[in-house]
Amino acid sequence: KAGVTQTPRYLIKTRGQQVTLSCSPISGHRSVSWYQQTPGQGLQFLFEYFSETQRNKGNFPGRFSGRQFSNSRSEMNVSTLELGDSALYLCASSPGGVEQFFGPGTRLTVL
Amino acid sequence: QKEVEQDPGPLSVPEGAIVSLNCTYSNSAFQYFMWYRQYSRKGPELLMYTYSSGNKEDGRFTAQVDKSSKYISLFIRDSQPSDSATYLCAMSGVHQTGANNLFFGTGTRLTVIP
Repeated sequence: KAGVTQTPRYLIKTRGQQVTLSCSPISGHRSVSWYQQTPGQGLQFLFEYFSETQRNKGNFPGRFSGRQFSNSRSEMNVSTLELGDSALYLCASSPGGVEQFFGPGTRLTVL
Repeated sequence: QKEVEQDPGPLSVPEGAIVSLNCTYSNSAFQYFMWYRQYSRKGPELLMYTYSSGNKEDGRFTAQVDKSSKYISLFIRDSQPSDSATYLCAMSGVHQTGANNLFFGTGTRLTVIP
């Protein structure tokens, strides 16, 4: 079974721009979660989607948003990028329950 | 205070040593406790998880949870150079909605020296 895939793997943007990241979950998994990983804060939960509905949200500003499509693929968007948004963005899919399977991440650099 | 605290290390041990990794937490609502391994430039990989208190063993890995002390541990026996990675503890509560978000420690970087 193919694992979680994320595109693109690397991205460089400048302050003020917006960015869209994509995640394809493991086949059959309906839950997709997004996390931000930085050296100082570690992994922090952004939001979770299940059957196209946002089920839970972390403490991030409204510039961070996401959506999920009927095939369970998910996208997250960050508008008006700031330098502090530079991070590894990880997507995780779950069949239900607590087990989450992570993709390789998208490394975003904001200049 | 962060909900999950983890010593960032780094931790260096000789091959064959027993490794002990630990996390403490403050939220008594946490019921599920997980350990992930993350190699450089990769996403975290789930090693094992336990529900509530107790021990769980999987090969060279043993996870322990002490809810009374809000303390969890991961032991690695006969450590190998291939175990060199960052180890992350993670925890989750039980949501009525079924929502599923994990609270992570900052990770401990482990190096096993041949």
